[in-house]
Amino acid sequence: KAGVTQTPRYLIKTRGQQVTLSCSPISGHRSVSWYQQTPGQGLQFLFEYFSETQRNKGNFPGRFSGRQFSNSRSEMNVSTLELGDSALYLCASSLGQGREAFFGQGTRLTVV
Amino acid sequence: AQTVTQSQPEMSVQEAETVTLSCTYDTSESNYYLFWYKQPPSRQMILVIRQEAYKQQNATENRFSVNFQKAAKSFSLKISDSQLGDTAMYFCAFPIRGANNLFFGTGTRLTVIP
Repeated sequence: KAGVTQTPRYLIKTRGQQVTLSCSPISGHRSVSWYQQTPGQGLQFLFEYFSETQRNKGNFPGRFSGRQFSNSRSEMNVSTLELGDSALYLCASSLGQGREAFFGQGTRLTVV
Repeated sequence: AQTVTQSQPEMSVQEAETVTLSCTYDTSESNYYLFWYKQPPSRQMILVIRQEAYKQQNATENRFSVNFQKAAKSFSLKISDSQLGDTAMYFCAFPIRGANNLFFGTGTRLTVIP
């Protein structure tokens, strides 16, 4: 069974640009969550999608958005990039509440 | 509010020795799950072990075991016979109330010394 796949693995963007990251969950997993990891703030929850609906959202500005498609693949978008958005973005999928989350290898975003 | 605290930012252990990583948490719920995740230098977050709060028995996965003290809200991870491949960041994680996403501790960087 294929694991969680995140693309691209690395991205370099300029301040003010926008970026879209993609996540393909494990087959059969309908829950997809996104996390931002930085040295200063650690791992912070961005949002969770289940069956194409955003169920939960973390404390991030509206520049961060996401969506989920009918095949459970998810994308997150960050508009008007800031230097502070430089981070490792992790996607995780799971079968449901309380079940273990399986993570992708992450997308390393660098904003210059 | 739910919180997860890992008080040991860094630890080291000799190969083949045993090490214990600590984690405390706070919640008002009675039934919940707790997880330990490992993040090696490759950055892939890997589930190490899971504990269900309603189970009295401590979870065990090969060389990894937990000491779960529900009343004290403590959830420590014991790694026996440490191996070089255990070198990684270890995160204690707790599901956010009513949700499917996790609240992570700040992590403990473990180094296994040959």
